[in-house]
Amino acid sequence: GENVEQHPSTLSVQEGDSAVIKCTYSDSASNYFPWYKQELGKGPQLIIDIRSNVGEKKDQRIAVTLNKTAKHFSLHITETQPEDSAVYFCAASERDQFYFGTGTSLTVIP
Amino acid sequence: DGGITQSPKYLFRKEGQNVTLSCEQNLNHDAMYWYRQDPGQGLRLIYYSQIVNDFQKGDIAEGYSVSREKKESFPLTVTSAQKNPTAFYLCASSIFAGSNQPQHFGDGTRLSIL
Repeated sequence: GENVEQHPSTLSVQEGDSAVIKCTYSDSASNYFPWYKQELGKGPQLIIDIRSNVGEKKDQRIAVTLNKTAKHFSLHITETQPEDSAVYFCAASERDQFYFGTGTSLTVIP
Repeated sequence: DGGITQSPKYLFRKEGQNVTLSCEQNLNHDAMYWYRQDPGQGLRLIYYSQIVNDFQKGDIAEGYSVSREKKESFPLTVTSAQKNPTAFYLCASSIFAGSNQPQHFGDGTRLSIL
């Protein structure tokens, strides 16, 4: 089955700096890669996603890049703000199941 | 507003007891999922259902059971056979399975052992 690895597990940045979270996957058949943000005591919320026919996607301060050959994808958050502090999960999907990374706890220091 | 409602938010189980977690969605989604979340781990799939009256085991189905009698509802029962049930349980739905569409999550139920 699919195996998704996510790094780093914790990340601290100064407000205004950029944050990058990286994920790798093992199954070349995976073709959909969402990113979720989870705040304490809440369910994950989709923040951005990318499909395998696209190399990069951007939505305001958030961007995701995908390298199908190397089987890795990354989340980039620019101009970080304290409200960006949360746990971020990547996932890879092929057909009807999602496989999640172990999460990155991001802390933005004011 | 459309969304997924999980209840209760907190649940306590006594030894030997079965408990049922509720998940209701009004998004008209065909597919529904149950995940277990433990500290420092990703979400692990317990069961999923692609359509009413049909469901499949996920990676960690032992000690759990589900039903899908209505499109809107996908309750999860944690049975006494589940020896380590303390966790955060998340329900999700998507338009239909295999669609490469995002899963939408509820706000979870935290289950603890008394």
